[in-house]
Amino acid sequence: QVQLQESGPGLVKPSETLSLTCTVSGGSISSYYWNWIRQPPGKGLEWIGYIYYSGNTNYNPSLKSRVTISVDTSKNQFSLKLNSVTAADTAVYYCARAPPGGYYYYMDVWGKGTTVTVSS
Amino acid sequence: EIVLTQSPGTLSLSPGERATLSCRASQSVSRNYLAWYQQKPGQAPRLLIYGTSNRATGIPDRFSGSGSGTDFTLTISRLEPEDFAVYYCQQYGSSPYTFGQGTKLEIK
Repeated sequence: QVQLQESGPGLVKPSETLSLTCTVSGGSISSYYWNWIRQPPGKGLEWIGYIYYSGNTNYNPSLKSRVTISVDTSKNQFSLKLNSVTAADTAVYYCARAPPGGYYYYMDVWGKGTTVTVSS
Repeated sequence: EIVLTQSPGTLSLSPGERATLSCRASQSVSRNYLAWYQQKPGQAPRLLIYGTSNRATGIPDRFSGSGSGTDFTLTISRLEPEDFAVYYCQQYGSSPYTFGQGTKLEIK
């Protein structure tokens, strides 16, 4: 079955760029929508954005000015970049899959999550 | 942006009891595109229900979802020990896709 694995630095300095990659194994990245969601410590879930395998993106307006999501179909990976980070961006970051169809943006497969701390 | 409000914040019940969790939207959820997730400590969320009432693959039939418009409910008919966790609703009818703040289901 499809598995997702997040990777990237666990510590980022304030004002720098957070960069994470999600590797998709056990299935193709094609035809699905690939999402990033985050969860600050002790808090709820926030959808960051998605990318379709073709490259189309949709971002949460609250983060849109700082976010870029990209896809590399040859490596079965997609990536998140969040620039100008502050302590408020400290969170567990999850990658997740949404089904094909263009309407069904619920997350049926999740990575285990990776903790990113913003601190000098 | 649609704001989802879940109630209660914490629900204390015993195994074998029935749990009813509520999710209320600040405006109507398009096509009733509402999902429910279960999250245990240190784990990623797990999809339980999508499209208000459709169980995800492998989810036991003691979990059921209902509702429409702005009011949605997740019901667990008979609680098993492994059901005690935090539950989130999510609307995906309109972007940005938003989550409720969660209901913690704890053992009484």
